[in-house]
Amino acid sequence: NAGVTQTPKFRVLKTGQSMTLLCAQDMNHEYMYWYRQDPGMGLRLIHYSVGEGTTAKGEVPDGYNVSRLKKQNFLLGLESAAPSQTSVYFCASRRDRVLEEQYFGPGTRLTVT
Amino acid sequence: EDKVVQSPLSLVVHEGDTVTLNCSYEVTNFRSLLWYKQEKKAPTFLFMLTSSGIEKKSGRLSSILDKKELFSILNITATQTGDSAIYLCAGVLGGTSYGKLTFGQGTILTVHP
Repeated sequence: NAGVTQTPKFRVLKTGQSMTLLCAQDMNHEYMYWYRQDPGMGLRLIHYSVGEGTTAKGEVPDGYNVSRLKKQNFLLGLESAAPSQTSVYFCASRRDRVLEEQYFGPGTRLTVT
Repeated sequence: EDKVVQSPLSLVVHEGDTVTLNCSYEVTNFRSLLWYKQEKKAPTFLFMLTSSGIEKKSGRLSSILDKKELFSILNITATQTGDSAIYLCAGVLGGTSYGKLTFGQGTILTVHP
């Protein structure tokens, strides 16, 4: 099992450009999450999904969109990148409602200039 | 507002020392507390604590929860350089369908040889 994988690992964008981050999991987990991690602020939830075809907003959703067309994939989109979106992005998955442990991907380091 | 606070924010010790990391929380409808270790990449799961006063142990690491005083501690005995990492705690919010995690800022532990 690869677990949770993320692509790309690194990316540099100019302000106003768009991009999509891909998260994939091969554990058949129902729940998937996108977080951002900034120095001194811990991990903050951007969007989440409780199953294929569903998405919902987390704590800091502005400037991001998500889609979950297939159970194993969760995409995070930035339509018009801003320097404030410079961060490390983590995807996580969770088996179901019963088990609370979340498994994290290796992260994507994004810089917006 | 849900809040998780970790202390200290950073700690430098020498191999063989014992360390105690603290995590206090104010989480609405608290359900459980998770500890993660984050080295260069993804946070990896250490412990989940649900019941007060019951110690969880894994090798040199142990953790306990006090639900009355709203805190948890993570102990590491006989530290090694491989214990150098960021340690994150997160409160799990009950009463929602998606298991919201509220993370603390993390404690950066550095173990010198």
